[in-house]
Amino acid sequence: SYELTQPPSVSVSPGQTARITCSGEALPVQHACWYQQKPGQAPVVVIYKDSERPSGIPQRFSGSSSGTTVTLTISGVQAEDEADYYCQSADSSGTYWVFGGGTKLTVV
Amino acid sequence: EVQLVQSGAEVKKPGESLKISCKVSGYRFTNYWIAWVRQMPGKGLEWMGIIYPGDSDTRYSPSFRGQVSISADKSTSTASLQWSSLKASDTAMYYCARQAYGRLFLDFWGQGTLVTVSS
Repeated sequence: SYELTQPPSVSVSPGQTARITCSGEALPVQHACWYQQKPGQAPVVVIYKDSERPSGIPQRFSGSSSGTTVTLTISGVQAEDEADYYCQSADSSGTYWVFGGGTKLTVV
Repeated sequence: EVQLVQSGAEVKKPGESLKISCKVSGYRFTNYWIAWVRQMPGKGLEWMGIIYPGDSDTRYSPSFRGQVSISADKSTSTASLQWSSLKASDTAMYYCARQAYGRLFLDFWGQGTLVTVSS
């Protein structure tokens, strides 16, 4: 079945830029979104349609797409951004959705 | 205000059946898809399936097809996730979430239902 691949972990210092990638064969034909999940909480979408930011999400969160890879970029990372991040998209036919394995962002 | 309120935590034995629910309010239930997402302890999110309450059109992840059943009751604005025979490996947090209208993402989430299956 279809899979999305993310790095298990990314570490950055406060104020630096964090980039989290997500790779999948169907990403050239399906949009992706990104969720942030903090311990004990439900996920929250931070980027949808590859690069759109929902209202209320800080401008430091941005997304981009190139071929079979989408990237979540967090500029000027803050301590509060430490969380797990998941990409999500659909298979090429749009029949079912799938999440990436998740990336733990550590702010050190 | 959009709300998805899930039923409470469950402790079950292997082989037992279970139905958990997700009651929505604040929008027209029949107009939005509702998805179910599993999160096993310490693990990532897994998309299980999705239902359109308007006509009960349901789609399952290949990983979950035949393992669970998703349904919706228009009279109570409630979506449900059901197992006929639980396994220990079903122990997880289960979230329901609403698909944003016409978009490929989930915009509102329930608080989660913790299901523990242990003998």
